Amino acid sequence: GENVEQHPSTLSVQEGDSAVIKCTYSDSASNYFPWYKQELGKRPQLIIDIRSNVGEKKDQRIAVTLNKTAKHFSLHITETQPEDSAVYFCAASSPNTGFQKLVFGTGTRLLVSP
Amino acid sequence: DGGITQSPKYLFRKEGQNVTLSCEQNLNHDAMYWYRQDPGQGLRLIYYSQIVNDFQKGDIAEGYSVSREKKESFPLTVTSAQKNPTAFYLCASSIVSWETQYFGPGTRLLVL
Repeated sequence: GENVEQHPSTLSVQEGDSAVIKCTYSDSASNYFPWYKQELGKRPQLIIDIRSNVGEKKDQRIAVTLNKTAKHFSLHITETQPEDSAVYFCAASSPNTGFQKLVFGTGTRLLVSP
Repeated sequence: DGGITQSPKYLFRKEGQNVTLSCEQNLNHDAMYWYRQDPGQGLRLIYYSQIVNDFQKGDIAEGYSVSREKKESFPLTVTSAQKNPTAFYLCASSIVSWETQYFGPGTRLLVL
């Protein structure tokens, strides 16, 4: 089955710096890659996603890139702000007898210092 | 994701007791899911349902049971067979299984 690895587990940056979180996946059939942000004690919220027919997607300060050959995808946050501090999860979805199962990485705790 | 509700917010279970976590959605989504989240870990799939009256085991179904009698409701029962139930339980839904999943606010289950 699919396996998703996420790095780093923690990331500390200064306000205004960029942050990059990387994930690798094992199933070459995976075709959907969402990123979720989870604040302490709250629900995960989708921040951006990408499908396998696209190499890059941007939404204001957030971008995701996908390298299908290498089977890795990355989240890029530019001009970080203290409110970006949270745990970020990547996930990969692969078809499985008609059901698209999401497999999550173990999360990256991002701390943005003022 | 504001259309998914979970209750209660906190739940305490005594040894040998079954407890049921509620999940309701008013988004008209066909697919619903239950995940377990342990500290420092990602989300693991317990059960999922692609359509009413049908559900399937996920990766860690042992000690849990579900039902899907109505499209908007997908309750999870944590049985006494689940020996380590302390975790944060998240319900999610999507229009269909290959579309974006939206999460409820979660239920934190603790053992007395």
